[in-house]
Amino acid sequence: RKEVEQDPGPFNVPEGATVAFNCTYSNSASQSFFWYRQDCRKEPKLLMSVYSSGNEDGRFTAQLNRASQYISLLIRDSKLSDSATYLCVVNPYNTDKLIFGTGTRLQVFP
Amino acid sequence: ETGVTQTPRHLVMGMTNKKSLKCEQHLGHNAMYWYKQSAKKPLELMFVYNFKEQTENNSVPSRFSPECPNSSHLFLHLHTLQPEDSALYLCASSHYTGTSGNTIYFGEGSWLTVV
Repeated sequence: RKEVEQDPGPFNVPEGATVAFNCTYSNSASQSFFWYRQDCRKEPKLLMSVYSSGNEDGRFTAQLNRASQYISLLIRDSKLSDSATYLCVVNPYNTDKLIFGTGTRLQVFP
Repeated sequence: ETGVTQTPRHLVMGMTNKKSLKCEQHLGHNAMYWYKQSAKKPLELMFVYNFKEQTENNSVPSRFSPECPNSSHLFLHLHTLQPEDSALYLCASSHYTGTSGNTIYFGEGSWLTVV
């Protein structure tokens, strides 16, 4: 089983739609979780950390489900500028090592 | 302006060449990383340095040789590469404190083509 798994997509959604991505992780002892965003031919950039109680940043909401070992990202009122690849990132060993998923591609159309 | 800078941004090299990728971070971080990103594959962690000491070598072939002279600089020396080594090489840094919540910041990457 891969350490971090994501549906590669693409998810094609119209502007204004709500879209959700899930990511599963294999190491139940993992403590740190993040969502990164990567635009085409650019470096990944931190979108948000994922906290145990769930957290929200504007139109973006991240959730953690430890029992089922997955994290989710919800995007409300999608914008064209949200089109990107969203990378799920896990720190499975609580060290300086982060593991990335393959990413989920989102395409928002007018 | 990014806090992590990489040079060169693009590199084309033959299989017998020797070249180096350079990374510099201006964020005061203590940990630095090399990741490889190939098409349709997840980012692969190659090397981790913490306070200049290598803490991770993720089974990387010896034709890739990292060097970390100080906490702000990281090099990746390349020698006798193969065409399948063509990829985006990303440098990153973080302020690793020994606890969880370790956010890393990436440079813009070096696009490497091996011919």
